[in-house]
Amino acid sequence: ETGVTQTPRHLVMGMTNKKSLKCEQHLGHNAMYWYKQSAKKPLELMFVYSLEERVENNSVPSRFSPECPNSSHLFLHLHTLQPEDSALYLCASSPPGRETQYFGPGTRLLVL
Amino acid sequence: EDQVTQSPEALRLQEGESSSLNCSYTVSGLRGLFWYRQDPGKGPEFLFTLYSAGEEKEKERLKATLTKKESFLHITAPKPEDSATYLCAVQLYGGATNKLIFGTGTLLAVQP
Repeated sequence: ETGVTQTPRHLVMGMTNKKSLKCEQHLGHNAMYWYKQSAKKPLELMFVYSLEERVENNSVPSRFSPECPNSSHLFLHLHTLQPEDSALYLCASSPPGRETQYFGPGTRLLVL
Repeated sequence: EDQVTQSPEALRLQEGESSSLNCSYTVSGLRGLFWYRQDPGKGPEFLFTLYSAGEEKEKERLKATLTKKESFLHITAPKPEDSATYLCAVQLYGGATNKLIFGTGTLLAVQP
């Protein structure tokens, strides 16, 4: 299954900037996820939304702020990031009653 | 602590040279084990889900198997287009979310 889209695909930001990442799916999925992927590290789960309600916040710093206005859209608002936050940020979604998660292409973030 | 370990970290094969990738896990209660393929600059692409020891699934040149301690991804007569990073993830019983714990992946290169 494809159909999870992410924008932008690449982002360069300074430490004082504010930016947002967007994820969209029109697959009828009811759960959405944000992951961080850094080199040589496993994918790290950041946030989980189920039916538009945040059900998991995996000890993520407050400079990352998620928003899920409806079951098709998920945002990750970024502010005052650190260089160590540079990574690939992946969005995923899963259908009702099924555990399989389907991933978007990711946003490659570089913090200068 | 729940943990997923993949080996080897990297594997180089000649076209047609069959081999296996390993995913070993130590978890409190396995609900399911997932295999994904990830190409450079892209998000993970779902391959298989396995739920119980002894289960096997096949797709083209790939076959995934599961025991109580590990999973193998067997690649038969690989082609250069099979080159990618293969990720393993486990899902645990309990909790309100479909949380996945990922390994660091095996980078497979198939040379013509």
